[in-house]
Amino acid sequence: KAGVTQTPRYLIKTRGQQVTLSCSPISGHRSVSWYQQTPGQGLQFLFEYFSETQRNKGNFPGRFSGRQFSNSRSEMNVSTLELGDSALYLCASSLGVAEDGYTFGSGTRLTVV
Amino acid sequence: SQKIEQNSEALNIQEGKTATLTCNYTNYSPAYLQWYRQDPGRGPVFLLLIRENEKEKRKERLKVTFDTTLKQSLFHITASQPADSATYLCAREGPLGSNYQLIWGAGTKLIIKP
Repeated sequence: KAGVTQTPRYLIKTRGQQVTLSCSPISGHRSVSWYQQTPGQGLQFLFEYFSETQRNKGNFPGRFSGRQFSNSRSEMNVSTLELGDSALYLCASSLGVAEDGYTFGSGTRLTVV
Repeated sequence: SQKIEQNSEALNIQEGKTATLTCNYTNYSPAYLQWYRQDPGRGPVFLLLIRENEKEKRKERLKVTFDTTLKQSLFHITASQPADSATYLCAREGPLGSNYQLIWGAGTKLIIKP
């Protein structure tokens, strides 16, 4: 079956711009989570959605936002980009069963210049 | 606050030997710990979950232990192969009242030499 698909794979943006990243979860998975991964901070939780509702949000500024559509696809948006936003953004989907873990996409590598 | 600590130094192991990676947690014991493998430029891949009340869990060449006294989980790969070379991440569930998230260790890079 198809895995978690994230688009685009790579992005280069300029400071002050905004960006939208997309994530298509595994069919049947209604929970979608977003993480930011940097060499210095590791994986940091951004937010989690289930049935179009944000159930949890991490400690990121309001410039980071997301949403989930009725087909479980999710997008995250970062406005007013800063150099420090350069990172690998990972999306993960799950059935909500801890024993199954999370299934991650390959990520979107965002570079802010 | 809850933290996950993994040895940030790379672990070099000879092919065929057992690789052992350590994950230490702080504060209260998590309900479970998950282990993932991550290859460069890719997302983490789920390997195993071990619950607080389980001492040990196995899957093929993998074995995970959970010691609540030491506040530690050990991840073993037996008969290691060069293809096992990757970064291994340990994660726990989020803090109380903050569901649906994981708290991650920084990962340990494992290098299996032929």
